[in-house]
Amino acid sequence: YLLTQPPSVSAAPGQTATITCGGNNIGNKKVHWYQHKAGQAPLLVVYDDGDRPSGIPDRFSGANSGHTATLTITRVDVGDEADYYCQVWDGSSDHSWLFGGGTRLAVL
Amino acid sequence: EVHLAQSGIETKKAGESLRISCRASGYTFGTYWIGWVRQRPGKGLEWVAMIYPGDLGNGRSQTRYNPSFQGQVSVSADESLNTAYLEWTTLQSSDTATYFCARHPSFWTGYFFDHWGQGTVVTVSS
Repeated sequence: YLLTQPPSVSAAPGQTATITCGGNNIGNKKVHWYQHKAGQAPLLVVYDDGDRPSGIPDRFSGANSGHTATLTITRVDVGDEADYYCQVWDGSSDHSWLFGGGTRLAVL
Repeated sequence: EVHLAQSGIETKKAGESLRISCRASGYTFGTYWIGWVRQRPGKGLEWVAMIYPGDLGNGRSQTRYNPSFQGQVSVSADESLNTAYLEWTTLQSSDTATYFCARHPSFWTGYFFDHWGQGTVVTVSS
């Protein structure tokens, strides 16, 4: 099972960034999103398609349907610059915890 | 506050052995899985293995491995030290990467990693 993410996305400060994660019928799976800044620990920003862990601002939201899951970040700022990874659990595979290739968000 | 403290930078030669650690605090260690995730230089995240440090009824830890890593690494845990380990008996240059440990809730809660360590950089020279 493959998860496909665009290598890069850009957005101007204050605008909205949208990062996609494609997979065959991914809408039937739960999708989770991580923010990873260089040299830091990855951070869970969205789990189970659209829930946010405590402390994650509501500027971060997720959706999942059909063959595409989406992470949306509204009112982006330079502090949001990072790599973002989607992740699913594929119970039909021994490679059970699968990550997308990652998307670099640039705030220009 | 949940915290996962990983051991420091490692520089090794091919053929050597290595064990890196992940010390947990801020929660009951034996009630969550610990996963290990690899990030090769310039690449994305790959799941390596999981361990449940507590007793699920058979008196020992439960483990799961990505088949791509099975036989190449082993995971273990010492519940008395709140520490999980990732170990190699024979390192290869292809093992050069940053390795993250991450906490994973029980499977009926979900299949995601809710807290991560800062990573251990492993460099293996040939």
